[in-house]
Amino acid sequence: IAGITQAPTSQILAAGRRMTLRCTQDMRHNAMYWYRQDLGLGLRLIHYSNTAGTTGKGEVPDGYSVSRANTDDFPLTLASAVPSQTSVYFCASSEGQGAETQYFGPGTRLLVL
Amino acid sequence: GQNIDQPTEMTATEGAIVQINCTYQTSGFNGLFWYQQHAGEAPTFLSYNVLDGLEEKGRFSSFLSRSKGYSYLLLKELQMKDSASYLCTVTDSNYQLIWGAGTKLIIKP
Repeated sequence: IAGITQAPTSQILAAGRRMTLRCTQDMRHNAMYWYRQDLGLGLRLIHYSNTAGTTGKGEVPDGYSVSRANTDDFPLTLASAVPSQTSVYFCASSEGQGAETQYFGPGTRLLVL
Repeated sequence: GQNIDQPTEMTATEGAIVQINCTYQTSGFNGLFWYQQHAGEAPTFLSYNVLDGLEEKGRFSSFLSRSKGYSYLLLKELQMKDSASYLCTVTDSNYQLIWGAGTKLIIKP
């Protein structure tokens, strides 16, 4: 069982380009999340999905979009990347919403130039 | 606003005991988690407290006082592999997780 996988592991992206970060889980968890982690700051929630077919905005959603067509996949898209989106992006999942343990993917390190 | 405070960095000696504190101010409370994150890796679950008191799990224990908005993570018999960041996070009344910035723990021989 892989748990959660993310792709790519790392990426250098020119500003203005479109980029999709992929996230797949095989635990049949209902809820999924996208976070960004920047030095000196806590994890900040970008978007979340409580169940397939639904999504919601987190603390820092601007410039990002998500979709949840099925239980396993939760891609994050940067429509037109900007340097301030340089960060480490973590995808996570939990069995349900609420006070549930979250399981994290290995992260994607993104550098926008 | 909602806020979680924990020390930025702590240093301890191998074999010793260290206590990492976390104070929180959130709109409601539905549980507090501690996660461990090694450098360059993803966070992993350590403990969960929803009622006041101490939860013990091997070398790690976590304490919660809801009236004081306070928790601590206690690590005993420190090992070099315990060098990591420790993240405190609280679930608020809307079941959203509020994350602290983390405490970087440095273990010295």
